[in-house]
Amino acid sequence: DVKVTQSSRYLVKRTGEKVFLECVQDMDHENMFWYRQDPGLGLRLIYFSYDVKMKEKGDIPEGYSVSREKKERFSLILESASTNQTSMYLCASRGFRQGYEQYFGPGTRLTVT
Amino acid sequence: KQEVTQIPAALSVPEGENLVLNCSFTDSAIYNLQWFRQDPGKGLTSLLLIQSSQREQTSGRLNASLDKSSGRSTLYIAASQPGDSATYLCAVRNSGNTPLVFGKGTRLSVIA
Repeated sequence: DVKVTQSSRYLVKRTGEKVFLECVQDMDHENMFWYRQDPGLGLRLIYFSYDVKMKEKGDIPEGYSVSREKKERFSLILESASTNQTSMYLCASRGFRQGYEQYFGPGTRLTVT
Repeated sequence: KQEVTQIPAALSVPEGENLVLNCSFTDSAIYNLQWFRQDPGKGLTSLLLIQSSQREQTSGRLNASLDKSSGRSTLYIAASQPGDSATYLCAVRNSGNTPLVFGKGTRLSVIA
């Protein structure tokens, strides 16, 4: 079974803090993605990575950065958290072995106060 | 630019009914189409993946069809159960190594 894990299910941070969200997949997938999901706005792509050390901006990259030093791990970084970054964050991966079927992690509910 | 639409936004049916969820997309040059299920507060679970060369895929009580030329896909759920209550999302991947484009989903309620 493909497994995508995220470091926390719930996270509470203060405004201005630096926040790291970690995502790990165990199927040697080439592509990894970070989304945020808000009521009424649907899923929005923040950043994605087609391979190690590669990154591409999605639809809403402002206020975020990413790191992919190893193939299995993709980190989302909020340099200075703000209240409008309170959201559900979802990580996903896909790869050649599964015909590029995309798999999601369980999500991290981040609250910034 | 690819756009994905799911209608209706919400659907309520009695238990045991067969139902169809609809997905339409504007650019027919797709690589694949994927259906997901999402329970409240959870991540997305992949239900079915249809490659562009395929017409349909089946898994248990679920059957998804794809008509690329008309830009449409349907997800058929047979003999619905209360446990099928969730939001169902459709997403397409255009040709090339591109991200999925998601619809906003259909929220399904199956009433016992």
